[in-house]
Amino acid sequence: QQQVKQSPQSLIVQKGGIPIINCAYENTAFDYFPWYQQFPGKGPALLIAIRPDVSEKKEGRFTISFNKSAKQFSLHIMDSQPGDSATYFCAASMSNFGNEKLTFGTGTRLTIIP
Amino acid sequence: DVKVTQSSRYLVKRTGEKVFLECVQDMDHENMFWYRQDPGLGLRLIYFSYDVKMKEKGDIPEGYSVSREKKERFSLILESASTNQTSMYLCASRTGRHLGNTIYFGEGSWLTVV
Repeated sequence: QQQVKQSPQSLIVQKGGIPIINCAYENTAFDYFPWYQQFPGKGPALLIAIRPDVSEKKEGRFTISFNKSAKQFSLHIMDSQPGDSATYFCAASMSNFGNEKLTFGTGTRLTIIP
Repeated sequence: DVKVTQSSRYLVKRTGEKVFLECVQDMDHENMFWYRQDPGLGLRLIYFSYDVKMKEKGDIPEGYSVSREKKERFSLILESASTNQTSMYLCASRTGRHLGNTIYFGEGSWLTVV
């Protein structure tokens, strides 16, 4: 079953715009929510992550917004650039020391046009 | 820098062949993972290993097995390859010593079964 639902599947945004990618989860025991960025021909790499004790986290132009009551979290990219064109995956896991598994969303292919 | 190396980037195998996908990490990580990536389905966990000689089934283990004889090496085995196993396979590793630690991915192995 799909425990982390991600949307949209693809997204095209003009340079300078703010793409927003959304994820929703079902399991209230999830307490770690990372986003991974994947360029063509490469493996995914950690971009930014959040825990549910905060509602927002910023790292450079990337921001995660987290809504615990709605069981949703989203990625915003400020002042987007063509170099941000990639596939983005949200994920979630439960803290279980030495026994954590990440559950990934289905991915969003983002294209930033000049 | 953490390096997760997947020795075979592109393979073409025939139906029924036994296939080995090898993965080596150089950071003394306890945890290692094999994921499968398919368009529209995201990353799905096949098997993971918490330590040497330990393995646990992920979400889609059918048709696969794994081997972890040494800490740095985690192998994925397709006992009898089938066309529905054509996919991109991603190996990953993580230290097991702290909660929510980053998972580091290799660059992927593209497998085509004909």
